[in-house]
Amino acid sequence: AQSVTQPDIHITVSEGASLELRCNYSYGATPYLFWYVQSPGQGLQLLLKYFSGDTLVQGIKGFEAEFKRSQSSFNLRKPSVHWSDAAEYFCAVGPQGYSTLTFGKGTMLLVSP
Amino acid sequence: GAGVSQTPSNKVTEKGKYVELRCDPISGHTALYWYRQSLGQGPEFLIYFQGTGAADDSGLPNDRFFAVRPEGSVSTLKIQRTERGDSAVYLCASSLQSDSGANVLTFGAGSRLTVL
Repeated sequence: AQSVTQPDIHITVSEGASLELRCNYSYGATPYLFWYVQSPGQGLQLLLKYFSGDTLVQGIKGFEAEFKRSQSSFNLRKPSVHWSDAAEYFCAVGPQGYSTLTFGKGTMLLVSP
Repeated sequence: GAGVSQTPSNKVTEKGKYVELRCDPISGHTALYWYRQSLGQGPEFLIYFQGTGAADDSGLPNDRFFAVRPEGSVSTLKIQRTERGDSAVYLCASSLQSDSGANVLTFGAGSRLTVL
């Protein structure tokens, strides 16, 4: 069965500092990988996705993620965090064929002044 | 519509009551998904529709939960004899269905259900 682990429940980053959110997955084949962001009272918004090809993918709002097959990881990064980035971030994995995604438990990002 | 619309946004009910949650997907999206997000957890898959039929209902927790999509557009998630443990945010998502399987889900804002 597929699974996603986000080892950090909360992360606090100073505004302007760099960010890396960790995601490890377990899946028996080549996965589709996603990062979503959820602000309070809002739905999940897609930040970026990996289907195939270049293992470094660019997303919206200046985010990027790198697929590392050898480490079963898909970590999310941003070089300079803004206060508006404070939200909960979810990593998800899905099979090729159709999109029944399995989500991690999420990482809450807090941005300090 | 422009996005996925879910109603009601909030629903408070008493234990044992029946509840219906509605999802109106993006126009033209043939695939529709229901997820449940409990406090402090990530979304958990409930059921997936392709057109009018439920292609995968393996995530429904028990037979108190049922969902329909009679005309291949709007879907209703139905919960009978609600229990306190059903309290959660119920998320709906829709997507185009491509042959490559590289589908991207667009989520609604969710329906928060509280069972007292």
